Order: sequence, then structure tokens, then C-alpha cells
Amino acid sequence: AQSVAQPEDQVNVAEGNPLTVKCTYSVSGNPYLFWYVQYPNRGLQFLLKYITGDNLVKGSYGFEAEFNKSQTSFHLKKPSALVSDSALYFCAVRDWYTGNQFYFGTGTSLTVIP
Amino acid sequence: EPEVTQTPSHQVTQMGQEVILRCVPISNHLYFYWYRQILGQKVEFLVSFYNNEISEKSEIFDDQFSVERPDGSNFTLKIRSTKLEDSAMYFCASSEPKETQYFGPGTRLLVL
Repeated sequence: AQSVAQPEDQVNVAEGNPLTVKCTYSVSGNPYLFWYVQYPNRGLQFLLKYITGDNLVKGSYGFEAEFNKSQTSFHLKKPSALVSDSALYFCAVRDWYTGNQFYFGTGTSLTVIP
Repeated sequence: EPEVTQTPSHQVTQMGQEVILRCVPISNHLYFYWYRQILGQKVEFLVSFYNNEISEKSEIFDDQFSVERPDGSNFTLKIRSTKLEDSAMYFCASSEPKETQYFGPGTRLLVL
């Protein structure tokens, strides 16, 4: 069965410090992995994805994520956090071969402290 | 940049009433989806739609739910007889085949 775990409900980081939002996944085949961000009263905005190739994926707003197959992880990172990065972050996975539906994690609320 | 739009942004209804949530997907996308997010919980898949028929659906998507593409632009989710537990944020998404799904801003449904 496909699933995503985001072990931290809340992450706090000081502005200018690096941030990491964790995600681990489980799929029966090869994973497509995605990160989305949700600002208050807004929909889910696509940040980045991993399909194949380079394990380090770069996305919007300076975010990047590293795919680690052995640890089944896809952690979201940014070298220097901004206050405007404060939002809810969702990791999602879909199996390469089976279907189109995404499986989402429970979300991690990121607060960047000025 | 093209985006998915949804109407209404908020809907309040009485238990047992029918509601229709509307979505306009990105114009060149062929796959359409509905997801829901109950307050404080994860985003859950409801249904995917391709070539004028349902391609996948979850256990949540029971006989009370239906989807339709009534014309070339709209994609709707109908709940025939709403229950209290249907209260949630409903997201529409669209994509090209096997590609990134782009989400709308959501419709917040409150069933009283």
C-alpha cells in the first residue's frame, strides 16, 4: 500500500537558518514524490517533484529536496529560511505504475521566527 | 500562469441537501481529480476522471458522490444527500497524463 509519513506536525526555525521538513514514503513500485505548500485560505501550490534522475531536486522559492531510496525519504530543505516561508507543507507520493492518485502526508506546519 | 479555479469558495448547507461543487481545470489538462481535507487531517483522494469517465475512486467516494464534466470547461462534484461528516475542504486538481497535479484553492463545505 502507498503511504506518506511526515513525522513532525510543527517545525520552528529562525529566519536565515537552514530548514528541513521530513518525509518518508512507502510504495510498492517506483515513487513519484512531490512537495506542496499551503498558505492560509489557499490551495495546494506545487513546489517540486522527483520522478527519476538526480537525487537532489530543486524547486520553487529556493526549496530543494533530496531523494534517498535506501531510507525511503524525501526531505524538503532550504538553506536560509524566510518569514514568508511560514506555511503548511505536504509531501505526496504516487506509484510510478499504478494509478494517478496522490497519497498525502498529514502536513507539517513551518513557522519561521523573525 | 494558468490555474485551477473553484466555486464557491464557501458553502453552507443543511444535512440531507444536495450540493454541487464546481471546478474549472487547466485548459489543456486531461485528468481531473477531487480530494478532500477534513479539518486538521490529511488530504484524501476521492476520485479521478479521464475521458469522460471515472478512472479511479477511493472508498470514500460512495454512491452519494458523483462527478461530471457537463461541458468543455467545468468539472463538478455532486454530493446527493450531505451528512455532517462531509464537512471538509474540497480540492479539485488537474494534470496532464502521469504528471504533476495542480490544485485549486478549494471549497470549504460546512454541513449543519
